[in-house]
Amino acid sequence: AQSVTQPDIHITVSEGASLELRCNYSYGATPYLFWYVQSPGQGLQLLLKYFSGDTLVQGIKGFEAEFKRSQSSFNLRKPSVHWSDAAEYFCAGDLSGGYNKLIFGAGTRLAVHP
Amino acid sequence: DGGITQSPKYLFRKEGQNVTLSCEQNLNHDAMYWYRQDPGQGLRLIYYSQIVNDFQKGDIAEGYSVSREKKESFPLTVTSAQKNPTAFYLCASTDDRGTGSYNEQFFGPGTRLTVL
Repeated sequence: AQSVTQPDIHITVSEGASLELRCNYSYGATPYLFWYVQSPGQGLQLLLKYFSGDTLVQGIKGFEAEFKRSQSSFNLRKPSVHWSDAAEYFCAGDLSGGYNKLIFGAGTRLAVHP
Repeated sequence: DGGITQSPKYLFRKEGQNVTLSCEQNLNHDAMYWYRQDPGQGLRLIYYSQIVNDFQKGDIAEGYSVSREKKESFPLTVTSAQKNPTAFYLCASTDDRGTGSYNEQFFGPGTRLTVL
């Protein structure tokens, strides 16, 4: 079955530390992949997206993600986390072949310690 | 500024009542979507519409209804048939009709519905 999985429900890091949030997908072809961020009680903001081409994509707020076909993964990274990065992060994929129907992972809640 | 507005931000409903959540966009987007968000489950697609006067069921459409009479508006009605309606509801839109090219979905701020 087509799916997007985020294995980590909660992650806590110290401010200034590096961050990696994991995302795996299950799909027979190359999906369109996205990372969104959500602050409490708010809508979602797009951090970055992967459609094709370069497998390392840069996003806003210093985030990047790498698409690895061999591992069916699209992990989100940031070299140095700021306290304002505390939020919930969602990985999503269009597994419908470009018909814009997104499947979301369950989300990873990030806490940042000072 | 262009964007998506959802109203109200908080909504309380008694059991057995229907309630309608508003979603308006001034981005001139063709496609609009409704998602439901529950803790620990991410977002699940309720309904979507790729063009005016047309819409399709998503993964969890039971107990919900929608209309798309205008390009900028896509209201969602939570009916009394929805057994567990308490959730956070998000509306999104995109400038894409599913033609194979791709544009991101933009999200509104959400409506939190609580059934008393």
